Amino acid sequence: EVQLAESGGGLVQPGGSLRLSCAASGFTFNTYRMNWVRQAPGKGLEWISYINTSGTTVYYADSVRGRFTISRDNAKNSLYLQMNSLRDDDTAVYYCARDRGIVVVQYDAFDLWGQGTMVTVSS
Amino acid sequence: QSVLTQPPSASGTPGQRVTISCSGSSSNIGSNTVNWYQQLPGTAPKVVIYTDNQRSSQRPSGVPDRFSASQSGTSASLAIGGLQSEDEADYYCATWDDSLNGRVFGGGTKLTVL
Repeated sequence: EVQLAESGGGLVQPGGSLRLSCAASGFTFNTYRMNWVRQAPGKGLEWISYINTSGTTVYYADSVRGRFTISRDNAKNSLYLQMNSLRDDDTAVYYCARDRGIVVVQYDAFDLWGQGTMVTVSS
Repeated sequence: QSVLTQPPSASGTPGQRVTISCSGSSSNIGSNTVNWYQQLPGTAPKVVIYTDNQRSSQRPSGVPDRFSASQSGTSASLAIGGLQSEDEADYYCATWDDSLNGRVFGGGTKLTVL
């Protein structure tokens, strides 16, 4: 079955760190661009990071740039998000999402989502 | 404050046609195509309209042809015809922003089927 499964969420204090993982299965992971998207409780979706197939190109939303790092291990079919200097407003469900894979990345859509992992930043 | 502006709510009765708007700027909708997502309560989003390699809007397999999208200038819209109770969900537009160098979402529209 084609799927994504996030893990690593939990409760962390402000200023702390957390590493999220996303395990991919059922498809050729190293041929797909990947993303992290989050959703604060009762709020809308926020794209936060992108990585290309080889891991050589990454993009971040302004809200997380300099604090979060996206990476991937194609040998392990896994995507990661290292989150440092966490703040209260980072509290959200974090989804990993796959690009469909059309040629022009700017036009692409997320065609596969994980179930999400909850991150709560609170003292 | 989202980069793309959507109405917070929309509603219609079964069988009606409803339209959800998405307004942006020259650096996002004005330059790139818009994709649309549906999120049912307590579930992950799913794409209902995506862009293909010919820059045309398409529906994934399983999404009924009651769903359609259009885009002009710095605005886009999602239309749902023959409204059904199962269409009740949150809908989000999304695109790439050339100035921000990343993806952006609209704030979302909660569709209620009366």
